[in-house]
Amino acid sequence: EDQVTQSPEALRLQEGESSSLNCSYTVSGLRGLFWYRQDPGKGPEFLFTLYSAGEEKEKERLKATLTKKESFLHITAPKPEDSATYLCAASGLSNAGNMLTFGGGTRLMVKP
Amino acid sequence: KAGVTQTPRYLIKTRGQQVTLSCSPISGHRSVSWYQQTPGQGLQFLFEYFSETQRNKGNFPGRFSGRQFSNSRSEMNVSTLELGDSALYLCASSFFLNTEAFFGQGTRLTVV
Repeated sequence: EDQVTQSPEALRLQEGESSSLNCSYTVSGLRGLFWYRQDPGKGPEFLFTLYSAGEEKEKERLKATLTKKESFLHITAPKPEDSATYLCAASGLSNAGNMLTFGGGTRLMVKP
Repeated sequence: KAGVTQTPRYLIKTRGQQVTLSCSPISGHRSVSWYQQTPGQGLQFLFEYFSETQRNKGNFPGRFSGRQFSNSRSEMNVSTLELGDSALYLCASSFFLNTEAFFGQGTRLTVV
């Protein structure tokens, strides 16, 4: 059974204080690792897809990286508007379609 | 380009009733997945449809069902509602297999 675990559950940062969010996965044949951002009361917003170990993707203050067991979401000089829950999800060969297994999320709070 | 549209946004139902939720995917997307999100369990996969065929099903009782129409629009139905079915129900659409999933804003279902 595919499993995805995120840590920490919650993270408080001062504006400008860089940090990383962790996503550990146990998936039979990883097909894709996905990062989403979710604001309260809204659906998850797609951020990145990573397909193979060593791959990196960047978007503004966010950078996602992937190893064979983990993915990291690095946040550089965060701003209050980066406050949200960040979700990690994996898709593996155990399913024939687009089924995603989600982690519990990291709730990020950035204070000015 | 219009995003994923879910209707209704909010619903209040009584225990024992049934409910139907609707999802219109992004134009051209053929895969539609449904997820249940609760504070305790996080995001859990319900089922996925691709070209009107159910490809995957999560570990939910038979009271939860769905279908997809020829225009890729999808509906999910929950019969004999229980208090524990109160949740945010999210629909996601993908262009093809193993591609990014884009989520709608969700339907907030409250069972009283």
